[in-house]
Amino acid sequence: EAGVTQFPSHSVIEKGQTVTLRCDPISGHDNLYWYRRVMGKEIKFLLHFVKESKQDESGMPNNRFLAERTGGTYSTLKVQPAELEDSGVYFCASSQDRGGYTDTQYFGPGTRLTVL
Amino acid sequence: RKEVEQDPGPFNVPEGATVAFNCTYSNSASQSFFWYRQDCRKEPKLLMSVYSSGNEDGRFTAQLNRASQYISLLIRDSKLSDSATYLCVVNVNSGGYQKVTFGIGTKLQVIP
Repeated sequence: EAGVTQFPSHSVIEKGQTVTLRCDPISGHDNLYWYRRVMGKEIKFLLHFVKESKQDESGMPNNRFLAERTGGTYSTLKVQPAELEDSGVYFCASSQDRGGYTDTQYFGPGTRLTVL
Repeated sequence: RKEVEQDPGPFNVPEGATVAFNCTYSNSASQSFFWYRQDCRKEPKLLMSVYSSGNEDGRFTAQLNRASQYISLLIRDSKLSDSATYLCVVNVNSGGYQKVTFGIGTKLQVIP
């Protein structure tokens, strides 16, 4: 079974540009999560989709970040315009059930974003 | 105060040693607890869940102390391949779904 995949693996952009990250969850997983790790800090929750609906987006830093999951399959996270502080590793994770507290989340390899 | 606190280390231990990590959490409503392992420049992977009764998986033992709000991970007979960062993860059930909080991770380096 294929795991969670993310594209691109690396992205280097200039401040003010736009970047779109993509996550393909494990097939059949309704729950999809985005996280971010800034260097030297903890992995931080950004948002949670259940199918195509945003269940919790309390971790989104500001309105420069837009996440979508049309059709409840893959998800995109767009940063527009990117700022220096957006640099970090963006992880996506998926889980199978309704998000109950015993669910195991499977992580993708992450997208390393560098904003210059 | 951070919601989940871990000593970032690094912990440098010789092969064969026993090493223990602790993690404390601040939200008393936390319901589920996990240890994840993250290798350098890789994604986190679930190592084990942590239950009140404690659980063991080979050389790894996890314990939960709800009264004191801490979780521990014990690794016996350390191997070189155990070198990684160990992330403490705490979930709070929010509206029927889990809200996940990570610790910063404890870096372990097992040396020959």
